[in-house]
Amino acid sequence: DQQVKQNSPSLSVQEGRISILNCDYTNSMFDYFLWYKKYPAEGPTFLISISSIKDKNEDGRFTVFLNKSAKHLSLHIVPSQPGDSAVYFCAADDAGNMLTFGGGTRLMVKP
Amino acid sequence: DADVTQTPRNRITKTGKRIMLECSQTKGHDRMYWYRQDPGLGLRLIYYSFDVKDINKGEISDGYSVSRQAQAKFSLSLESAIPNQTALYFCATRGQTTGELFFGEGSRLTVL
Repeated sequence: DQQVKQNSPSLSVQEGRISILNCDYTNSMFDYFLWYKKYPAEGPTFLISISSIKDKNEDGRFTVFLNKSAKHLSLHIVPSQPGDSAVYFCAADDAGNMLTFGGGTRLMVKP
Repeated sequence: DADVTQTPRNRITKTGKRIMLECSQTKGHDRMYWYRQDPGLGLRLIYYSFDVKDINKGEISDGYSVSRQAQAKFSLSLESAIPNQTALYFCATRGQTTGELFFGEGSRLTVL
């Protein structure tokens, strides 16, 4: 059973609007969460992370929110740009230094 | 040059053949990983190594083996390839004190 789930395989957003990507997890031992972005024919690249002691982390247009009680995190991209079109993976770390990844969400930002 | 280099980038092989995917890194990291990507399943961990003498199985190690030849090199082998091992394979490294994984560009393997 997947411990990290991204229930939306795809998301389409208009340029300039907000993109919200969601991720749910089941393992309460996860204490660090990351988002990765992947373009075709490239490896995933790190985007933003959050520790379980925080509920929000912001980096420019990207903000990650963590709701520990709901075991839910989300990535907000504001404003969305066509160059943000990619597959986004959330990942969770249980301090064992292994990351468990979700299935990914393909974001399409339309001009 | 890329910090994490994978070879080959693409390989087509036949069922039953032995195939090796190689990974080298210039980041000086001790921790290296092999992941497999399948549509809808995300990235699943095959094997990982925290130093040259350390090898650990991941979530889906059956049918695979690895070799850590040096701090900078970590190879993944399929002893007898089968069609359901057709996938995109990623090598990654991680520093001791950072939470971020650094990925190679991937090796696309097709088993006919």
